[in-house]
Amino acid sequence: EDKVVQSPLSLVVHEGDTVTLNCSYEVTNFRSLLWYKQEKKAPTFLFMLTSSGIEKKSGRLSSILDKKELFSILNITATQTGDSAVYLCASNAGGTSYGKLTFGQGTILTVHP
Amino acid sequence: SAVISQKPSRDICQRGTSLTIQCQVDSQVTMMFWYRQQPGQSLTLIATANQGSEATYESGFVIDKFPISRPNLTFSTLTVSNMSPEDSSIYLCSVQSGVGQPQHFGDGTRLSIL
Repeated sequence: EDKVVQSPLSLVVHEGDTVTLNCSYEVTNFRSLLWYKQEKKAPTFLFMLTSSGIEKKSGRLSSILDKKELFSILNITATQTGDSAVYLCASNAGGTSYGKLTFGQGTILTVHP
Repeated sequence: SAVISQKPSRDICQRGTSLTIQCQVDSQVTMMFWYRQQPGQSLTLIATANQGSEATYESGFVIDKFPISRPNLTFSTLTVSNMSPEDSSIYLCSVQSGVGQPQHFGDGTRLSIL
């Protein structure tokens, strides 16, 4: 059974801090690793990673995938209170499970002013 | 990315009743999915909604409880049947516009069963 594990489960920081969120996976027919931000109901797409070692960046957020060690990290620099959310990591499978996303438990990030 | 409209956004229902949730996309998409997020939990895939054929259900989910329709490439419905308090969750549809594209989610339906 496919499995995605995130750490830490929760994190409290102050504005301006840098945070690193971790995601490890065990997936049959792995295709890609996705990161989402969930503030209320709908997860908002952040990154999709398919290749090892290539950093994806969007503003203060960046992410990288290690397919050998089966993990990914999401970095947020100079955090702001608006970054407070649940960050979800998900693996995307291929083969007969094509399109299926398996989600981790999520990391609850709280940024204090 | 596609604009995904999901309705209702929330509902409070009586035990034993059924509710149909709609998901409308503003452009044709290859794949549509339905997820459930129970309180304090992460997302779990219920099924893949297949256009013109029966949905593909994940382990633990059955068609009698969660019938799904997908009559075309822009619309799908999920029905939660014979509801009990354990069905209180957020139900989300997601779409994938093509091969190698990420899934995007609708705003979700927050369902409470009394």
